[in-house]
Amino acid sequence: DAGVTQSPTHLIKTRGQHVTLRCSPISGHKSVSWYQQVLGQGPQFIFQYYEKEERGRGNFPDRFSARQFPNYSSELNVNALLLGDSALYLCASSFYGNSNQPQHFGDGTRLSIL
Amino acid sequence: TQLLEQSPQFLSIQEGENLTVYCNSSSVFSSLQWYRQEPGEGPVLLVTVVTGGEVKKLKRLTFQFGDARKDSSLHITAAQPGDTGLYLCAGPMDSSYKLIFGSGTRLLVRP
Repeated sequence: DAGVTQSPTHLIKTRGQHVTLRCSPISGHKSVSWYQQVLGQGPQFIFQYYEKEERGRGNFPDRFSARQFPNYSSELNVNALLLGDSALYLCASSFYGNSNQPQHFGDGTRLSIL
Repeated sequence: TQLLEQSPQFLSIQEGENLTVYCNSSSVFSSLQWYRQEPGEGPVLLVTVVTGGEVKKLKRLTFQFGDARKDSSLHITAAQPGDTGLYLCAGPMDSSYKLIFGSGTRLLVRP
């Protein structure tokens, strides 16, 4: 079975641009969560979606938005990119999204802002 | 604010040595998860501990959840180069759907 897949794997943007990152969860998983991992730190929670509804949001500005599609795949959008947005963006899926459940992570999208 | 602090931040040891890494908080967690992350990859779940005082073993790795459910430790016996990676602990924030992570312990096992 395929694991969580993310695209693209690497991306280079300049300040002020916008970016869309994509995630396909494990088949049967209905919940997708997004995390930002800055170099040298642990992942920080951005969003969780379950059954196409936002169920949780971390401490990130409104420039960050996301959505989940009927097939449970998800997109993370970031507008007006800043240098500080350079990070590894991780997507994780689980059956119901309860935080006691194990999260299955993709290998991430590495975003570099110039 | 719930926080998870991990120590040490970085550990470099020789193959065959034993080591322990720690995950501490001032808050009570209903459960804690341990992940290992290798360069260029996402974190992979190693174990979930749920009950205070619980001990779980995964081959040479031993995980313990503190009695008060505020801390956890990971002990590796006879470390091997394949154990090299970033070890992360994570727990649910305020019984919500948010999972918070510690900043990790970066382990290097030298052959």
